[in-house]
Amino acid sequence: DIVMTQSPDSLAVSLGERATINCKSSRSVLYSSNDKNYLAWYQQKPGQPPKLLIYWASTRESGVPDRFSGSGSGTDFTLTINSLQAEDLAVYYCQQYYGTPWTFGQGTKVEI
Amino acid sequence: QVQLQESGPGLVEPSETLSLTCTVSGGSMTTHYWTWIRQPPGKGPEWIGYTHYSENIIFNPSLKSRVTMSIDTPNSQFSLRLRSVTAADTAVYYCARGGCESSSCYHYWFDSWGQGILVTVSS
Repeated sequence: DIVMTQSPDSLAVSLGERATINCKSSRSVLYSSNDKNYLAWYQQKPGQPPKLLIYWASTRESGVPDRFSGSGSGTDFTLTINSLQAEDLAVYYCQQYYGTPWTFGQGTKVEI
Repeated sequence: QVQLQESGPGLVEPSETLSLTCTVSGGSMTTHYWTWIRQPPGKGPEWIGYTHYSENIIFNPSLKSRVTMSIDTPNSQFSLRLRSVTAADTAVYYCARGGCESSSCYHYWFDSWGQGILVTVSS
């Protein structure tokens, strides 16, 4: 299985500041034939299901604010939240879909 | 706007079979892939498997010997059965829909989720 490791486990950020979450895969999730990274990011608030933010490592899902952005390639990826808003306080997960079983990171909690 | 809703018992006894159904409304079942995911309390999600109306079904190998999935497109439902459960199977179980981009739909990422159902394995 591909192991996804996120850092840090928790992150304290002031409102209006930038939050940066890292995700590292145990092997590359870049598919050379189409040059796409098989990685998604989700946001989960307490008592709610995860919400899709980004797929293909950097493509924002429809309706997701542009303060959320994804970057990286191969084994190292980053989710950046610019100008953090109160509604962004949540746990964030990365997920690879390069090889079954699809696997998720352990989560990063963003708090003030 | 598609909606998904899980249903089934919230308590299952050890060694018994967990059975859940996901009812889909507001969307076509033949276009998308349909997935089950679970999340143990305080942990990250775990992908269980996906199904498609073409009956293409793929499971997580760690659960493969105990899992059955089925799809009932006329009634807009798909189901999960997990046999011989133990306390380690206690989790919130979610059904989810695979996402699409342009005219292609995939089983890769999940763009719509049910609210989840907590299933506790205990006697």
